[in-house]
Amino acid sequence: DTAVSQTPKYLVTQMGNDKSIKCEQNLGHDTMYWYKQDSKKFLKIMFSYNNKELIINETVPNRFSPKSPDKAHLNLHINSLELGDSAVYFCASSRTLNTQYFGPGTRLTVL
Amino acid sequence: GESVGLHLPTLSVQEGDNSIINCAYSNSASDYFIWYKQESGKGPQFIIDIRSNMDKRQGQRVTVLLNKTVKHLSLQIAATQPGDSAVYFCAKLSTSYGKLTFGQGTILTVHP
Repeated sequence: DTAVSQTPKYLVTQMGNDKSIKCEQNLGHDTMYWYKQDSKKFLKIMFSYNNKELIINETVPNRFSPKSPDKAHLNLHINSLELGDSAVYFCASSRTLNTQYFGPGTRLTVL
Repeated sequence: GESVGLHLPTLSVQEGDNSIINCAYSNSASDYFIWYKQESGKGPQFIIDIRSNMDKRQGQRVTVLLNKTVKHLSLQIAATQPGDSAVYFCAKLSTSYGKLTFGQGTILTVHP
């Protein structure tokens, strides 16, 4: 009965590699998001999609490319990983803007 | 620019006490203010929200107060329990843009 799921939960990789994080929601929500949480727990939105259309792009480097194959999935692909990309990435979804449901997070460590 | 911040980064209370977590914001152009709870190793979880035209809203064991005059938001937790130990975030929502802006977070520790 998982609502918002992400894979993998942990991702350790070398600088310069390309990696993807997957997100799926079974809540029937139209809007999905990606957030980044840094080592000081600061949470910041990166992207949001509504019905597979990009709504928000918060000045994220173009090495980050979200892809929404359907409205239940929003994947995050990251090219040429850098040390500063190390963080916890959260996917979320919502039906109404004021109630967002977050996934369990993916902890990305770039070595 | 917009910001949402917290007065205290940590709060320790005894089980059964009431807890108050505070948040200040610098820009009132938002439609909702929202509190999230994040337990260790998990994603943020919605607790309660309040529309910007209200000043108080109550939920189960939680009350949110909004003072627009001084741009201050607080979360009151009654009879705090060890399971309430978590990081609490305030956030504000602009519905026209659908964007949540989070504050820094307060670590609440409840001692049995």
